[in-house]
Amino acid sequence: QSVLTQPPSASGTPGQRVTISCSGSSSNIGGNTVNWYQQLPGTAPKLLIYGSYHERPSGVPDRFSGSKSGSSASLAISGLQSEDEADYFCAAWDDSLNGVVFGGGTKLTVL
Amino acid sequence: EVQLVESGGNLVQPGGSLRLSCAASGFTFSTYAMTWVRQAPGKGLEWVSAIRGSGDYTYYADSVRGRFTISRDNSKNTLFLQMSSLRAEDTAVYYCAKGYNISPQGWFDPWGQGTLVTVSS
Repeated sequence: QSVLTQPPSASGTPGQRVTISCSGSSSNIGGNTVNWYQQLPGTAPKLLIYGSYHERPSGVPDRFSGSKSGSSASLAISGLQSEDEADYFCAAWDDSLNGVVFGGGTKLTVL
Repeated sequence: EVQLVESGGNLVQPGGSLRLSCAASGFTFSTYAMTWVRQAPGKGLEWVSAIRGSGDYTYYADSVRGRFTISRDNSKNTLFLQMSSLRAEDTAVYYCAKGYNISPQGWFDPWGQGTLVTVSS
């Protein structure tokens, strides 16, 4: 059971907009930055969205965006493309656990 | 270019020990926190441990505290994870990743390619 809660799966057709939610508590998302990682099949995770202002590392398309409200966060992918098919994980520092907590991951399928 | 290369993964018997290494290059190693994250086969990501850039503070997940020890050699730009009393549930790909600054309370980028640890008799 992960500390952060994500839906196990999401799907969309090419060109659609998809959102993935991440729910936590005041000790993690509520008080710290939420970061998102993308893991393409057979590869290591890659930073997708980070920081207080939901920034994107160089090379990440602006189709990807993040938001946070209270103890929940969301990742939005607009103009869905086949290469977006991957697992997506949210993560945050947890002040109570004094460590990093991850969501269980969401498998995105592009239909 | 920042590079992280893990090594040391292997097949080990339950109760055994193993030491993982992560060789870093392309950045001033001592000024960044480092972390270990693992992924069991077909499962999600699980944070394992982190260490501040100076090495003065370490952090552990409850599942490994008392069995695993994280350390770093800033003179050799290398991160370590000493694992003991290994259990079947420790079987996973172990990734090392670079923190965003000297403390681990943020994001990690980049990640290494991972090294596989298999605990089985």
